[in-house]
Amino acid sequence: EVQLVQSGAELKKPGESLKISCKFHGNTFSTSWIGWVRQMPGKGLEWMGFIYPGDSDTRYNPSFRGQVTLSADKSIDTAYLQWSSLGASDNAMYFCVRLAPGSGTSSYFESWGQGTLVTVSS
Amino acid sequence: EIVLTQSPGTLSLSPGERATLSCRASQSVNSIYLAWYQQKPGQAPRLLIYGASNRATGIPDRFSGSGSGTDFTLTISRLEPEDFAVYYCQQYVSSPRTFGQGTKLEIK
Repeated sequence: EVQLVQSGAELKKPGESLKISCKFHGNTFSTSWIGWVRQMPGKGLEWMGFIYPGDSDTRYNPSFRGQVTLSADKSIDTAYLQWSSLGASDNAMYFCVRLAPGSGTSSYFESWGQGTLVTVSS
Repeated sequence: EIVLTQSPGTLSLSPGERATLSCRASQSVNSIYLAWYQQKPGQAPRLLIYGASNRATGIPDRFSGSGSGTDFTLTISRLEPEDFAVYYCQQYVSSPRTFGQGTKLEIK
C-alpha cells in the first residue's frame, strides 16, 4: 500500500520562496504519476499539476503554470512543490496525490498525503 | 474546461436516511473518468468511487455511484454518523482536471 507523507506547516512572508515535500512510501515512485491539489481556506479542491518522477515529465493546470514548479527526486522517492515568490493568494492547504496506475494521467487520485498548510503573512 | 456542478450545496439528513448527491457536467464525460471523494473536517479527501460506479478499496457497500454523460449520482443508502462530511465529484479525462464545488452532508 502506498503512503504519502508531506512536510510540515509553513509560515512565510510575502515574496519569500518555499519548497514543500511529499515522501512516497512504496515501491513504485518512479512509475507513478504524482499530483498536487490546492484547497484554499473554506473552499473546494483545485488540481495544480502532475509529475512523472521516472522522467520528470510534468503537466500543469494552465491556472498554475508559471506560478509554481513541480519536481521530484527519484533517489529519495520524494516529490516537491515550490514557489519562487509567495503571495497572499498562496494561503492554502496543499495535498499531494498518487494517481492510480495503468491509465497515465487519465486516472483518479487513489492516495492522498495528509496535507501541508502554507500561511503567507507579513 | 469541464465545469462540474454539484447539488444540493448542503444536504441535511438524519442517520439511517438515504442520501442522494448529484454532479452535473458542462459537457459529456465518459463514465470511466468520474470519481467521488469524501472529505471530513481537518482531513485529506478520500477516494470513494471511481469509474462512476466502482467502490474503492475498503469503502462500505452503502456507498454507490451511477450515471453517464453529464449526470452522475452518489447514493448513500443508510447514513451512518461517520458519513457526515463534504463530498466532491471529479472528472479525470480532460485538462484541466476539475472538481465540483462540493456537497456538504450535515446532520439534521
